[in-house]
Amino acid sequence: QKEVEQDPGPLSVPEGAIVSLNCTYSNSAFQYFMWYRQYSRKGPELLMYTYSSGNKEDGRFTAQVDKSSKYISLFIRDSQPSDSATYLCAMVSNDYKLSFGAGTTVTVRA
Amino acid sequence: DGGITQSPKYLFRKEGQNVTLSCEQNLNHDAMYWYRQDPGQGLRLIYYSQIVNDFQKGDIAEGYSVSREKKESFPLTVTSAQKNPTAFYLCASSETPQKLFFGSGTQLSVL
Repeated sequence: QKEVEQDPGPLSVPEGAIVSLNCTYSNSAFQYFMWYRQYSRKGPELLMYTYSSGNKEDGRFTAQVDKSSKYISLFIRDSQPSDSATYLCAMVSNDYKLSFGAGTTVTVRA
Repeated sequence: DGGITQSPKYLFRKEGQNVTLSCEQNLNHDAMYWYRQDPGQGLRLIYYSQIVNDFQKGDIAEGYSVSREKKESFPLTVTSAQKNPTAFYLCASSETPQKLFFGSGTQLSVL
């Protein structure tokens, strides 16, 4: 079993819809939770990161962490075609080990 | 502009050949990483280095080698021992593991 599980999709939504992405994990030592966005054949870029449980909002993006359920989510409001990309979750444990999910491919249809 | 530069963008390897992927950063980061990305498998760590002249194996180091002679540079050699090298290779650097900065990647294919 992988430490971090992420549904690869693909996920297709109409422009303006809310995109909901999530990851589950098994290692209770994970303390930092990140979301990266990767456009096709480019390097990932960090979107958001949160420490421990709770919510964090940045513009149209909201990240949620529920450590009791070992579940993290990313919501994209008012989605745009430019949001079409692969979204990777990532987690860092308290001994600084970094683990990535497999990534979810999202297409926002104009 | 600060960032990470990977070269070449595309690389082709012949049977039995070693090839080297370049990674240079001017972000003054101590830590550098090499990841391999295959479709549907996310990022898998090949090697990482937290300081000059020191590096550690990641999850899939077999068939790869690295060096870290300068803070700015972390080249990756794909040796002939790596029997399935076709993949997208990503280099990254960071001050902390929570914030990795990635290069634009190198696509390696076998002729």
